[in-house]
Amino acid sequence: QKEVEQNSGPLSVPEGAIASLNCTYSDRGSQSFFWYRQYSGKSPELIMFIYSNGDKEDGRFTAQLNKASQYVSLLIRDSQPSDSATYLCALGGGADGLTFGKGTHLIIQP
Amino acid sequence: EAGVAQSPRYKIIEKRQSVAFWCNPISGHATLYWYQQILGQGPKLLIQFQNNGVVDDSQLPKDRFSAERLKGVDSTLKIQPAKLEDSAVYLCASSLDLAGTLTGELFFGEGSRLTVL
Repeated sequence: QKEVEQNSGPLSVPEGAIASLNCTYSDRGSQSFFWYRQYSGKSPELIMFIYSNGDKEDGRFTAQLNKASQYVSLLIRDSQPSDSATYLCALGGGADGLTFGKGTHLIIQP
Repeated sequence: EAGVAQSPRYKIIEKRQSVAFWCNPISGHATLYWYQQILGQGPKLLIQFQNNGVVDDSQLPKDRFSAERLKGVDSTLKIQPAKLEDSAVYLCASSLDLAGTLTGELFFGEGSRLTVL
């Protein structure tokens, strides 16, 4: 069974700093990797996806993938209080839906 | 474009009672997912439909949970009898097709929060 490991936090970061969120996974056959954001009491929403080793940038967000180390990360530059949420790492690409980690609770301190 | 609709938003029942949740996916979305999210955990896939066929239900506790998507559109998830550990948010999501697991383009509803006393 696929497993996705994340530090549950909370991770506290000052406003304007870089927030670094990490995720490791067990299934070497996973093809797609996702970061979802979930505000308290709300449903998850997709932030970014990455398929290939290396970095992928989208605005203030950068996803990093290292398949050899089975490691995915998300960097948030110039963190804002509105970035405070739980960030879920997920694996996909198979016929069995997405497998989510427990999420990391991020707090951006003004 | 209307999003994924779920009802009821909240439900409180006693253990051993039954409950049903309804989901209407985004129009034209062939793939529908039910996830269970227990407080402090990530969503766990219960069942995945492609049109009205089941793609994966390996994590569905079939002794008490059932789900159907008879006409390939709306879906219902039922729990009977409920246990205390079933207290969770039940999230319905849809994607255009099975490629949703490649692109991550799953659109989630607001969820149905179940409390079992």
